[in-house]
Amino acid sequence: DTGVSQNPRHKITKRGQNVTFRCDPISEHNRLYWYRQTLGQGPEFLTYFQNEAQLEKSRLLSDRFSAERPKGSFSTLEIQRTEQGDSAMYLCASSDAGTSNNEQFFGPGTRLTVL
Amino acid sequence: GDSVTQMEGPVTLSEEACLTINCTYTATGYPSLFWYVQYPGEGLQLLLKATKADDKGSNKGFEATYRKETTSFHLEKGSVQVSDSAVYFCAPSTNSGSRLTFGEGTQLTVNP
Repeated sequence: DTGVSQNPRHKITKRGQNVTFRCDPISEHNRLYWYRQTLGQGPEFLTYFQNEAQLEKSRLLSDRFSAERPKGSFSTLEIQRTEQGDSAMYLCASSDAGTSNNEQFFGPGTRLTVL
Repeated sequence: GDSVTQMEGPVTLSEEACLTINCTYTATGYPSLFWYVQYPGEGLQLLLKATKADDKGSNKGFEATYRKETTSFHLEKGSVQVSDSAVYFCAPSTNSGSRLTFGEGTQLTVNP
């Protein structure tokens, strides 16, 4: 296993279009997280799953955002009716709930540009 | 909710200089504490961690000590290298095992 992977790495879309990103966590990790990072800022938490259950969602996750992890492995993040303010790097991370310290391993991110 | 106050950047140092990046936090319970690093063009990598009071995390010459009484986790290195140029993020995590709360990051540039 080579770590957390994310696809695509870059996405350019026009305002109003829908986009979907995929994250494949480290295989033995049962927790999966989504964050958003804008230029010059630290990552901001969006949501997280333990197995297939979505356990927490940030207020940042508006109705246009939806995340799924149907089989407890990979996850998708969909943004509907994209807006220019959605332009950011979307980061996925995973961790093992069996460890107590919540060390999270990050993927390379998907950079979204909304024109 | 949890929050992090991190030393403002950018920080520019000469090679072999001493580095301190301050980080203080507010969090419920007894969080685990992390420093992540983001090298140019790369993803976030864990630099070091500490899981309980007075623990010292260390890696690649960097150190940080979990100070519960001052709710701080300052990052230090005695002699920086050009290759340390990156953005550094302090991040506590609550015991619930959910989110990391990141600071704004401190941009470090080390000149030869």
